[in-house]
Amino acid sequence: NAGVTQTPKFQVLKTGQSMTLQCAQDMNHEYMSWYRQDPGMGLRLIHYSVGAGITDQGEVPNGYNVSRSTTEDFPLRLLSAAPSQTSVYFCASGRQGVREQYFGPGTRLTVT
Amino acid sequence: AQRVTQPEKLLSVFKGAPVELKCNYSYSGSPELFWYVQYSRQRLQLLLRHISRESIKGFTADLNKGETSFHLKKPFAQEEDSAMYYCALKAGNQFYFGTGTSLTVIP
Repeated sequence: NAGVTQTPKFQVLKTGQSMTLQCAQDMNHEYMSWYRQDPGMGLRLIHYSVGAGITDQGEVPNGYNVSRSTTEDFPLRLLSAAPSQTSVYFCASGRQGVREQYFGPGTRLTVT
Repeated sequence: AQRVTQPEKLLSVFKGAPVELKCNYSYSGSPELFWYVQYSRQRLQLLLRHISRESIKGFTADLNKGETSFHLKKPFAQEEDSAMYYCALKAGNQFYFGTGTSLTVIP
């Protein structure tokens, strides 16, 4: 199993551009989530999903959209990138009940 | 509001010395607490969870509801314990992470 995969690993955007960060898991996990990691802030939940077709907002959802059309995939869309969205983004997944989350390797995003 | 506080950004101990990484939380419901660890060049991974009451790699953590704490302890630190440690609180379907403590074990 590949576990949780994220693409791309690195990305540089200009202010106002849009893009999608990809996340996929092959463990048939119901729960998937997106976090951003900023210096001195720890990990903060952006959006999460408890199953295909179901998404909900986390702590810092503004400027991001998600969808969950399949169990495997949970893409994160930046609608109009801003320098404040410069961060490292982590995707994670877990079984129903979420006693443990499995994290992806992260995507480092820079917005200039 | 839910919150997780890790007061130490950096912690250095000598090999063989005891180590304690502090974590305090605020949550009105019944908490589920976790410790996650990120070793250099590796992914963030679960170290232990309070409901399991387990010892992993010599680490233990006891949930103290009176003090709203979930400190991580190990009696004898090893060099391979050097890593970033995050305390996390599960509230419903959302997770709240602390800001992390970078542990360095000095040989």
